[in-house]
Amino acid sequence: DVKVTQSSRYLVKRTGEKVFLECVQDMDHENMFWYRQDPGLGLRLIYFSYDVKMKEKGDIPEGYSVSREKKERFSLILESASTNQTSMYLCASSLPRGHSNQPQHFGDGTRLSIL
Amino acid sequence: AQKITQTQPGMFVQEKEAVTLDCTYDTSDQSYGLFWYKQPSSGEMIFLIYQGSYDEQNATEGRYSLNFQKARKSANLVISASQLGDSAMYFCAMREGRVTGGGNKLTFGTGTQLKVEL
Repeated sequence: DVKVTQSSRYLVKRTGEKVFLECVQDMDHENMFWYRQDPGLGLRLIYFSYDVKMKEKGDIPEGYSVSREKKERFSLILESASTNQTSMYLCASSLPRGHSNQPQHFGDGTRLSIL
Repeated sequence: AQKITQTQPGMFVQEKEAVTLDCTYDTSDQSYGLFWYKQPSSGEMIFLIYQGSYDEQNATEGRYSLNFQKARKSANLVISASQLGDSAMYFCAMREGRVTGGGNKLTFGTGTQLKVEL
């Protein structure tokens, strides 16, 4: 069975901290994605990666960076956390283009609170 | 730019009845795909159904069907025989058709909160 695992379900951090959100998938997928979900706004793409060490900005990359050193792992980094980054963060993975009818598979999400 | 619109923030349906969740989209691509996901209160995103822009038949998966009207750019989700467990947030999403380095990016709507009542 496919599995995307996010390291924490709930996380509380302080403003100014550097925050790491980790995501691991066991499906050997090339594509991995980070979204944030806010009420009334749906899911918005922060960054995605289509190969190891490759990344592209999504719609709202400001204040975030990512790292993909291994195929199975995709990390989201909040360089200096701010209260407006309090949100639900969702990681997903998928097969590459050429498999466009295949869905993205999501982790359970991390509810991040910045105090 | 692509856009997905879900105009129903919340809906109620009685158990065992059918319900339609609306989704309209805007794209200039000829090739694209439409997905529906379910998100229960526990937070995980569950893939329900997919429709490709060139698919001639409307997609069906069990109690879920997709009413795809290409000319009207709508891709409504129909849930038949609603169950209490169908209470959740439902998201419509579109995959862009342009071949980019990543491909397979999804643009999501704002979601519809469905509540199934006895």
